[in-house]
Amino acid sequence: GQSLEQPSEVTAVEGAIVQINCTYQTSGFYGLSWYQQHDGGAPTFLSYNALDGLEETGRFSSFLSRSDSYGYLLLQELQMKDSASYFCAVNQGGKLIFGQGTELSVKP
Amino acid sequence: KAGVTQTPRYLIKTRGQQVTLSCSPISGHRSVSWYQQTPGQGLQFLFEYFSETQRNKGNFPGRFSGRQFSNSRSEMNVSTLELGDSALYLCASSLGPMTTNEKLFFGSGTQLSVL
Repeated sequence: GQSLEQPSEVTAVEGAIVQINCTYQTSGFYGLSWYQQHDGGAPTFLSYNALDGLEETGRFSSFLSRSDSYGYLLLQELQMKDSASYFCAVNQGGKLIFGQGTELSVKP
Repeated sequence: KAGVTQTPRYLIKTRGQQVTLSCSPISGHRSVSWYQQTPGQGLQFLFEYFSETQRNKGNFPGRFSGRQFSNSRSEMNVSTLELGDSALYLCASSLGPMTTNEKLFFGSGTQLSVL
C-alpha cells in the first residue's frame, strides 16, 4: 500500500520560515504535489516535484528526494493568511494519494 | 474563466436514502476526479473520469458510483447512505487525465450530512 506521513500540527510566527515534511512509503509514483486548504475551502495547488530537487514558486518552495522517500514544503516570510492545512500527495497510476495534512497556525 | 463548481453546497439526508452530487469542471478540462474528506480518514480518492470513461477507482464500496457527460460535467451517486458517509465531497478537474497532469483544480465541495 501507500502511505504519506506529515506532522499533524505546526505553529510559527509571522515573518518566520517553516518547513512541513512529508515522508512516504510507496512503490512508485509520478511526482509529489502540495495543496493548501483553508477551513471550509477548496484545496488549491501550490507546487509539484516531478524530479528530485527544489522547486521555487514565490514564497513557497518544495523539495523531493526519491532516494530518501522524503519531501518538504518550505514557506518563507510567513503571513497570517498562510494559516491553513497543507497536504502532500503522490500520483500513483492516476490515483492521487494524500497525506493526512498539516495544520499550520501562524501567530502574530 | 469560471472555476470548478459543485452543487449543492450542503445536503442533509437520512440513512438508506441515495444522493447525487454534481460537478462542473473548468471549461476545456476533460478530467474530473472525486474525493471524500473526513476528519478521521483525510482526503481519499474515489474515482476519475476522463472523456466519459472511468479511468481509476479508489477503495470504496460499489454504493459509490459516478458518471461523466459529453460536456465533461460529472455526477457522483451514493446509494443506501450510511452514517459514515457524512463527509465533504470534493471534485477536481484537469486538462488531461490524471496520469499526465500534476495540477488539479478543486471545487469547494458538497458537505453531506447523513442522519
